[in-house]
Amino acid sequence: DGGITQSPKYLFRKEGQNVTLSCEQNLNHDAMYWYRQDPGQGLRLIYYSQIVNDFQKGDIAEGYSVSREKKESFPLTVTSAQKNPTAFYLCASSIEGASNYGYTFGSGTRLTVV
Amino acid sequence: AQSVTQLGSHVSVSEGALVLLRCNYSSSVPPYLFWYVQYPNQGLQLLLKYTSAATLVKGINGFEAEFKKSETSFHLTKPSAHMSDAAEYFCAVRRGGAQKLVFGQGTRLTINP
Repeated sequence: DGGITQSPKYLFRKEGQNVTLSCEQNLNHDAMYWYRQDPGQGLRLIYYSQIVNDFQKGDIAEGYSVSREKKESFPLTVTSAQKNPTAFYLCASSIEGASNYGYTFGSGTRLTVV
Repeated sequence: AQSVTQLGSHVSVSEGALVLLRCNYSSSVPPYLFWYVQYPNQGLQLLLKYTSAATLVKGINGFEAEFKKSETSFHLTKPSAHMSDAAEYFCAVRRGGAQKLVFGQGTRLTINP
């Protein structure tokens, strides 16, 4: 079955460490997105990519980095510059230009700073 | 610019009662509208979407929503709440072209036995 796979489900980071969250899709979608979710704050867009080898900052990109070397993969790195990284991270994908399609979401990664 | 407002961050209903979750949008052109559901520690799942084919849209799990252009609303309803409906619900809007989805802040639905 096609879908989006996020791994790991739970991730623990020590202070000053970089960590990378994986997002892989086999839906042949062009566009991919990373969101951060904190209690009571809805979804906030971190980065998005509409095509391979290109990506744009979202609303809260500081302290994060991404790459899009393959259509299927859009990993997110949470760097040590992100001072409050504890949150639930969601990856999504969509058909680019198909406004009636909506997004397909992964099951999320919960990152905790220890 | 387009935006979405969900009225009520938390809604509580009794099991068997009507569920009504409110969503109002602003868009300069006819939008595409979506409702998503999120269960704890999971991703978002599409409940239903409006794409101009019909104003009353039926979705999964017995939910439906009606697009009312005059009221710029897309409220989500279910005639009889079930305990399994307890979750967070997000309304989202997308304009034509390459526009990203814009999400509301979410409404947490609690079902009382």
